[in-house]
Amino acid sequence: QKEVEQDPGPLSVPEGAIVSLNCTYSNSAFQYFMWYRQYSRKGPELLMYTYSSGNKEDGRFTAQVDKSSKYISLFIRDSQPSDSATYLCAMGAMKTSYDKVIFGPGTSLSVIP
Amino acid sequence: ETGVTQTPRHLVMGMTNKKSLKCEQHLGHNAMYWYKQSAKKPLELMFVYSLEERVENNSVPSRFSPECPNSSHLFLHLHTLQPEDSALYLCASSQDQGGAFTDTQYFGPGTRLTVL
Repeated sequence: QKEVEQDPGPLSVPEGAIVSLNCTYSNSAFQYFMWYRQYSRKGPELLMYTYSSGNKEDGRFTAQVDKSSKYISLFIRDSQPSDSATYLCAMGAMKTSYDKVIFGPGTSLSVIP
Repeated sequence: ETGVTQTPRHLVMGMTNKKSLKCEQHLGHNAMYWYKQSAKKPLELMFVYSLEERVENNSVPSRFSPECPNSSHLFLHLHTLQPEDSALYLCASSQDQGGAFTDTQYFGPGTRLTVL
């Protein structure tokens, strides 16, 4: 079983839809969870960062962590064509341990006008 | 120039060539990173430098050799690469305050490397 799994997509939705992006993981030691957005021919940019379980909201984006199920989600409300990108989840166990950052393979999202 | 820049943006090299990738950050950060991103595979951390000292070498083959001459510049020297090394190589920087996860990493656009 891979350490972090993510549906690669591509996911295609109409403009204005609610998008749900998900990752599952196997390592119960993970405590830090991040979502990155990567546009074509660009580097990833950090969207959301959460610690432990719970929800975090930032504008149209909501990150949700369920540690009991080892499942994290990113919801995008009122999706826009500019949200079309690849979304990477990432997670880690120890705050100061660089080598514990594990990325998912990314989900490609396309928002159709 | 702003943010994190990388040159060249595209590179094609033979297996016997020697080349170098360059990264420059204009953000005043003190930590820099090299990542490898292969098609349909997760991002892989290769090297981390904090205050110009290597703090992480993630079991990377010796045909990849990093160099960090100062806090603004990072190089990745390549020699005798294999076709499976073809990938997007991303550089990132952050302000290292002792926590890898609280320090937002800013990525460059990457160098698309093809090894023939």
